[in-house]
Amino acid sequence: DGGITQSPKYLFRKEGQNVTLSCEQNLNHDAMYWYRQDPGQGLRLIYYSQIVNDFQKGDIAEGYSVSREKKESFPLTVTSAQKNPTAFYLCATSGATLSREQYFGPGTRLTVT
Amino acid sequence: AQSVTQLDSQVPVFEEAPVELRCNYSSSVSVYLFWYVQYPNQGLQLLLKYLSGSTLVKGINGFEAEFNKSQTSFHLRKPSVHISDTAEYFCAAQDNYGQNFVFGPGTRLSVLP
Repeated sequence: DGGITQSPKYLFRKEGQNVTLSCEQNLNHDAMYWYRQDPGQGLRLIYYSQIVNDFQKGDIAEGYSVSREKKESFPLTVTSAQKNPTAFYLCATSGATLSREQYFGPGTRLTVT
Repeated sequence: AQSVTQLDSQVPVFEEAPVELRCNYSSSVSVYLFWYVQYPNQGLQLLLKYLSGSTLVKGINGFEAEFNKSQTSFHLRKPSVHISDTAEYFCAAQDNYGQNFVFGPGTRLSVLP
């Protein structure tokens, strides 16, 4: 099955702990993205990567970090510096320029107490 | 840079009635336009997209959208909705350089029996 996997579906952490969200894809897409979604709000871009070993900050990168060591993987770390980390996190990919659209994973709901 | 506006945050409609979800964009360059649907606690799924050609675009689940360049709009329509269409709908735009994928704030469609 081709697709994007995000694990786990639900994640609970105590305040002050770093936590890493997984995103894996087997679509052979070059570009990968992380979005944050809060209730009643649209998607806000955290980080994106257009090629292995390179990534760029999005609109709300503070308190987050990423790595892109492999084409298939783009993990997101939510650090203790992120003031309000409880949210729904979505990973997306995009491939050939002709198709244009982004493909989304199922999301991870992070709750920090 | 472009921006996307979805004027209606919530749209309630009775089952089997028609619906239109509005989307307007602003951009100094040509854009590609997309509609996505999100069911609760899931990722986003592409409904349809406009890249070029015919301004009337048909998508999955009986949805269609019309690109109107003069009004900078890309409204989503369905002639007869079902209970299962209850979801959040996002309009998105990408400039023709393949950069700046921007989402609107979303419209929550509630289909009432």
